Amino acid sequence: AQSVTQPDIHITVSEGASLELRCNYSYGATPYLFWYVQSPGQGLQLLLKYFSGDTLVQGIKGFEAEFKRSQSSFNLRKPSVHWSDAAEYFCAVGAGGGGNKLTFGTGTQLKVEL
Amino acid sequence: DSGVTQTPKHLITATGQRVTLRCSPRSGDLSVYWYQQSLDQGLQFLIHYYNGEERAKGNILERFSAQQFPDLHSELNLSSLELGDSALYFCASSRWGGDPSTGELFFGEGSRLTVL
Repeated sequence: AQSVTQPDIHITVSEGASLELRCNYSYGATPYLFWYVQSPGQGLQLLLKYFSGDTLVQGIKGFEAEFKRSQSSFNLRKPSVHWSDAAEYFCAVGAGGGGNKLTFGTGTQLKVEL
Repeated sequence: DSGVTQTPKHLITATGQRVTLRCSPRSGDLSVYWYQQSLDQGLQFLIHYYNGEERAKGNILERFSAQQFPDLHSELNLSSLELGDSALYFCASSRWGGDPSTGELFFGEGSRLTVL
């Protein structure tokens, strides 16, 4: 069964600083990987996804993530954080063939200091 | 706005009661997924329906049931409620129901259930 680990429960960064959120996955085959963001009182919004091809994927709001098979990681990055990026971020892995079920990590709460 | 509508947004009820949560997917989406988000369990997949048929089951209790109607809206029924059922229940929809590479999930804003 697939699983996702987000080692950091809370992260605080200053506005303008760079950001990296960690995600490690466990899956036997080629994974489908996603990053979602959840703002307070809102549903989850897709930031980016990786299915195949270029291991560096670009998403919305200036986010990017890099798939590293050797490390089973899919870390999310942003060069310069804005105060509006404060939210909870979820990494997820999807299984192919027969369903679109996503397994989510426990999330990382991002706080941005002004 | 994701285009996925969930009602009610908030619901407070007592233990032992039964509630129904409703989800209207995005126009044209055939798949509906239900997820439960709680502080101790995180985001847990409950069940997936595609075009009216159940496609996959996750950690859904026997006290819970769901269905997807011909107009593609879905309902999640929670019965014999316990304190531990208090959570945020999300519905998500997608165009198709197979491989996740065929499309992303669009999430509603959730229904917050409080069991007292």
